[in-house]
Amino acid sequence: GEKVEQHESTLSVREGDSAVINCTYTDTASSYFPWYKQEAGKSLHFVIDIRSNVDRKQSQRLIVLLDKKAKRFSLHITATQPEDSAIYFCAAISGSFNKLTFGAGTRLAVCP
Amino acid sequence: DPKIIQKPKYLVAVTGSEKILICEQYLGHNAMYWYRQSAKKPLEFMFSYSYQKLMDNQTASSRFQPQSSKKNHLDLQITALKPDDSATYFCASSHRTANTEVFFGKGTRLTVV
Repeated sequence: GEKVEQHESTLSVREGDSAVINCTYTDTASSYFPWYKQEAGKSLHFVIDIRSNVDRKQSQRLIVLLDKKAKRFSLHITATQPEDSAIYFCAAISGSFNKLTFGAGTRLAVCP
Repeated sequence: DPKIIQKPKYLVAVTGSEKILICEQYLGHNAMYWYRQSAKKPLEFMFSYSYQKLMDNQTASSRFQPQSSKKNHLDLQITALKPDDSATYFCASSHRTANTEVFFGKGTRLTVV
């Protein structure tokens, strides 16, 4: 089955800098890659996704890149703000039935 | 205004007992799921349902039984509870069952003592 590895377990950046979180996956059939944000004690909140028919997607300060050859995707948060501090999870869907396989999460701290 | 309602928010259970976790979604979605998040493991998929039919089951133990009485309900019955079942259980839903955004409820935090 699919395995998703999230490379950074923790990440600390200064406010205004960019943060990059990297993930790799194993199943070449994976075609959908969402990112979720989880604040302390709260649920998962969808932030952005990318499908395998594109290699880049941007939504305001968030950019997702997908490299299918390397089976790697990444989340770039530009001009970080303290409210960006949270745990970010990457995920991949392969096959049917929308089964999400998650990475272990990256705890992002944005320091003033 | 939460669109995926999970009850209860917190639950403490005795080892060996049985509990039911409730989930209702008001997003008009056709697919519903259960995921589990514990300190020992990352978020893991448990079940997926589409139009009230089981589509995928990744839970090895038959102690976990989803129940769907209505299209927008997917409860999770857990029997013979063990301390290792302690986790936060998230209900989720999506419009379709393929490559589409999945929305999560706030979770039920289960502690088995």
